[in-house]
Amino acid sequence: DIQMTQSPSSLSASVGDRVTITCRASQSIGSYLNWYQQKPGKAPKLLIYTASILQSGVPSRFSGSGSGTDFTLTISSLQAEDFATYYCQQSYSTPHTFGGGTKVEIK
Amino acid sequence: EVQLVQSGAEVKKPGESLRISCQGSGYSFTNSWITWVRQMPGKGLEWMGRIDPRDSHVDYSPSFQGHVTFSVDTSINTAFLQWSSLEASDTAIYYCARQRSLDFWGQGTLVVVSS
Repeated sequence: DIQMTQSPSSLSASVGDRVTITCRASQSIGSYLNWYQQKPGKAPKLLIYTASILQSGVPSRFSGSGSGTDFTLTISSLQAEDFATYYCQQSYSTPHTFGGGTKVEIK
Repeated sequence: EVQLVQSGAEVKKPGESLRISCQGSGYSFTNSWITWVRQMPGKGLEWMGRIDPRDSHVDYSPSFQGHVTFSVDTSINTAFLQWSSLEASDTAIYYCARQRSLDFWGQGTLVVVSS
């Protein structure tokens, strides 16, 4: 199985901050990398697929980059509604494993 | 509007069987894989596997192979996740989602297994 490692596991930030979350795959996955946001008590929501393509309806302050083994999710200016847990997931080969998650909290 | 609607919460005893469902609407059900994802209490997301509604081909994660069964009924646009013998460690929220990129998700089904 491909292992997905996210860092940090949690972070504290303020509204307006630029936030970067990284995800590393244990082997090359090309651009088959997706990012999800999950708020407490809710189902996850797709933010970015194929490493850098913004899902319809997702604010442009979210962006993704990377290929191969190293990927980044960036929130350019953190908003109050962005406090949540973020997960990466590889869809290169089954099982399509998730990272452990990054909890973004209010500073 | 694409929707995945899951069946309601369940409380079961260890050893009991269970089938939960996920009904798709607003799109061609047979054109998109359905994936099942587990989230144990306070934990992260786990990819359990997926089923192709066109031919019922399944890919199970090794972590779940042999313990769960996926199926579909295309006449009612519904996918199912089934256990023949539940364990306490199956207590979790189970989500269905569609496509390789999991673009739409069900609301989740809480399964509690307790004696």
